[in-house]
Amino acid sequence: DTGVSQDPRHKITKRGQNVTFRCDPISEHNRLYWYRQTLGQGPEFLTYFQNEAQLEKSRLLSDRFSAERPKGSFSTLEIQRTEQGDSAMYLCASSLDGYDNQPQHFGDGTRLSIL
Amino acid sequence: DQQVKQNSPSLSVQEGRISILNCDYTNSMFDYFLWYKKYPAEGPTFLISISSIKDKNEDGRFTVFLNKSAKHLSLHIVPSQPGDSAVYFCAASASNQFYFGTGTSLTVIP
Repeated sequence: DTGVSQDPRHKITKRGQNVTFRCDPISEHNRLYWYRQTLGQGPEFLTYFQNEAQLEKSRLLSDRFSAERPKGSFSTLEIQRTEQGDSAMYLCASSLDGYDNQPQHFGDGTRLSIL
Repeated sequence: DQQVKQNSPSLSVQEGRISILNCDYTNSMFDYFLWYKKYPAEGPTFLISISSIKDKNEDGRFTVFLNKSAKHLSLHIVPSQPGDSAVYFCAASASNQFYFGTGTSLTVIP
């Protein structure tokens, strides 16, 4: 399967703990995006990378959220000192960079539950 | 602020008939629009897109219409099939930042 892969699929943790999620994009895609989705809402853009450069991070939800893509391939999203309100589905998507607009292809997400 | 709105949370259509899903947006800087389909426990799947320089794009049973003056987007599915039952999200993009609507749950009745 050469789609977007996210790990883990589910994460349950206690409030105050740090969590890290991984995303492996489609191999030839150089753009990678992170979203959060809560119940009854659409995906909410958080940040995106072009290769290893993080081109937009102002919409990360707080300074507890950070993302990296050190070698321009896989990416990680970390949430420090988790809070109850962080419970959500975290989605990763990737796309090609080109002259024309390119659609994003999503993984199946990591569902985070904060106890 | 919700820059992309889907005002119908749900829609039911008989198999074989046309499904029309609607989406409104507020930001005139959006230049690329997309529709995604989502099944439970899966990520959204790309369906069809349209650039702001066009007013229609067709792909098989799926057609997207864009009315820029009204800031309105619609997805037509014809004929509708039971396998089309899912949540449909519209999305809009400006400067590689994507904004999604809240989704419309489509049920196609056999």
